[in-house]
Amino acid sequence: GQQVMQIPQYQHVQEGEDFTTYCNSSTTLSNIQWYKQRPGGHPVFLIQLVKSGEVKKQKRLTFQFGEAKKNSSLHITATQTTDVGTYFCAGRIYNQGGKLIFGQGTELSVKP
Amino acid sequence: DVKVTQSSRYLVKRTGEKVFLECVQDMDHENMFWYRQDPGLGLRLIYFSYDVKMKEKGDIPEGYSVSREKKERFSLILESASTNQTSMYLCASSFVEGFLGQYFGPGTRLTVT
Repeated sequence: GQQVMQIPQYQHVQEGEDFTTYCNSSTTLSNIQWYKQRPGGHPVFLIQLVKSGEVKKQKRLTFQFGEAKKNSSLHITATQTTDVGTYFCAGRIYNQGGKLIFGQGTELSVKP
Repeated sequence: DVKVTQSSRYLVKRTGEKVFLECVQDMDHENMFWYRQDPGLGLRLIYFSYDVKMKEKGDIPEGYSVSREKKERFSLILESASTNQTSMYLCASSFVEGFLGQYFGPGTRLTVT
């Protein structure tokens, strides 16, 4: 079946270091969304990318959507302790309505 | 402020019991979803609904059923709970068109003993 693979599963960084998580889909996506889940919380929508090669920024977070619309990345510059949590990518498949396929998530821990 | 609520944060049930998990959204969303979240496996879709009385199987529907009698309410039913259904259950909702980001409820941690 359709899958979205996300790596790494865990990332431990020192505060101030950069962080990147990658997603790769087995099929072309109509769009990709990113969510953040704080420890003990629920996933919260961060952003949606739709166009091939699209790059979007939210302060220290940079999101990219690959040219073939099969891969994506989230990069955090100079991590802070408030960035702690699990980051999920979620791909939307053409002609499947609002259904999303979630990656396994990357759990980020930040050491002060 | 948008809101998705779930009937319980924590639930403990015995093997073989029938379990109902309720989800209510106040955003007039057409789509509603049920996921389970397990460590290392991310969010896996159990069922979703794009309209009242409509339902579609997700990736792991076995052992579950759903009901959507009203637009704002989506119920997940475990007909006969088993220990391998111990998990975090998350409900979400979204529009059919336009902004398609999903709004999640706080989750129900279900333990089946």
